[in-house]
Amino acid sequence: NAGVMQNPRHLVRRRGQEARLRCSPMKGHSHVYWYRQLPEEGLKFMVYLQKENIIDESGMPKERFSAEFPKEGPSILRIQQVVRGDSAAYFCASSPNQAGEETQYFGPGTRLLVL
Amino acid sequence: SQELEQSPQSLIVQEGKNLTINCTSSKTLYGLYWYKQKYGEGLIFLMMLQKGGEEKSHEKITAKLDEKKQQSSLHITASQPSHAGIYLCGADISEKLTFGTGTRLTIIP
Repeated sequence: NAGVMQNPRHLVRRRGQEARLRCSPMKGHSHVYWYRQLPEEGLKFMVYLQKENIIDESGMPKERFSAEFPKEGPSILRIQQVVRGDSAAYFCASSPNQAGEETQYFGPGTRLLVL
Repeated sequence: SQELEQSPQSLIVQEGKNLTINCTSSKTLYGLYWYKQKYGEGLIFLMMLQKGGEEKSHEKITAKLDEKKQQSSLHITASQPSHAGIYLCGADISEKLTFGTGTRLTIIP
């Protein structure tokens, strides 16, 4: 059973471009979480999704950021018109759809660098 | 073997009592993070410690990193029901995001 997969692992964008980060949860997992880790800081929660639904997006910036988790395919975190401050490591995690099962399994992260 | 060991694995504490959770690494840590997790929610970042001997507090939660930077403790004073959850320590070890085994904290009235 492959773990959580993220791609790309590294992404370089120029200011104003779009960044698309993909997360494939573990097999059998229907819950996905996205986190951002700025340099010298801990993980900060961004958004929690279940298949086709956004459950909690309280950590998402109001503009330029969006996330989806379609019925088929990976979860996508999309950042439009990137700025230098978006440079960070973005991690996704997945968990099973089982009551009381809290364990989140993390992907390797995507390191975004905005030039 | 687990790179970050946490103890205890679970803790049941009466409301109002103090408690301590420990996180130990076999390697020197260059950044140690504490998080809290509740079911259906994302990880909540609590604190980050970088320097040996560093201590930080946030409300009734205090975290400390030892001088050798291999052990950290999280201390909660006068626990409340809102403190219940799973506490995780995390670190970047060999450029990989690594978490401890977690401590499940239950607060009883």
